[in-house]
Amino acid sequence: GENVEQHPSTLSVQEGDSAVIKCTYSDSASNYFPWYKQELGKGPQLIIDIRSNVGEKKDQRIAVTLNKTAKHFSLHITETQPEDSAVYFCAASIGMRFGAGTRLTVKP
Amino acid sequence: GAVVSQHPSRVICKSGTSVKIECRSLDFQATTMFWYRQFPKQSLMLMATSNEGSKATYEQGVEKDKFLINHASLTLSTLTVTSAHPEDSSFYICSARYRGGEKLFFGSGTQLSVL
Repeated sequence: GENVEQHPSTLSVQEGDSAVIKCTYSDSASNYFPWYKQELGKGPQLIIDIRSNVGEKKDQRIAVTLNKTAKHFSLHITETQPEDSAVYFCAASIGMRFGAGTRLTVKP
Repeated sequence: GAVVSQHPSRVICKSGTSVKIECRSLDFQATTMFWYRQFPKQSLMLMATSNEGSKATYEQGVEKDKFLINHASLTLSTLTVTSAHPEDSSFYICSARYRGGEKLFFGSGTQLSVL
């Protein structure tokens, strides 16, 4: 089955800096790659997604890039704010399995 | 749109009892629903996938007789933890997807504590 690896497990940045989280996947048949944000005690919320026929997608301060050849995709958050602090998960479409998660802390 | 309601949000039960968790899609028809389990500071572990009207497909290592999943309608799936034990204590989350869609819409989760 699909195996999704996510790095780093924790990330601490200063407010205003950028944050980058990377994921790799194993199944070349995967064609949909979402990113979720989970706050404590809540279910994950979709923040951005990308399909395999696109290399990059941007939504305000959030962007996702996909390298199909290398089978990795990344989440980029620019101008980070304290409210961006949360756990972020990536997933790959086959089986909808999630990465291990990245705990992002944005220091004011 | 695309709201998934999960109840209860928190449940405490005695060891040996059964607990039912409901997951409802409020404004769309959820042809596929997923159930996840999440331990503190860990990722979501897929337990099972259920398609409306058919038996759930369980992930390896998940006991189907322990975690009963029913997806009898296009808007409701239930997870019943039978004969619960303290080791079943966890955060359970459902998600739903409509026919032909790729996006998953998540419920708010259920914190189960078995005493």
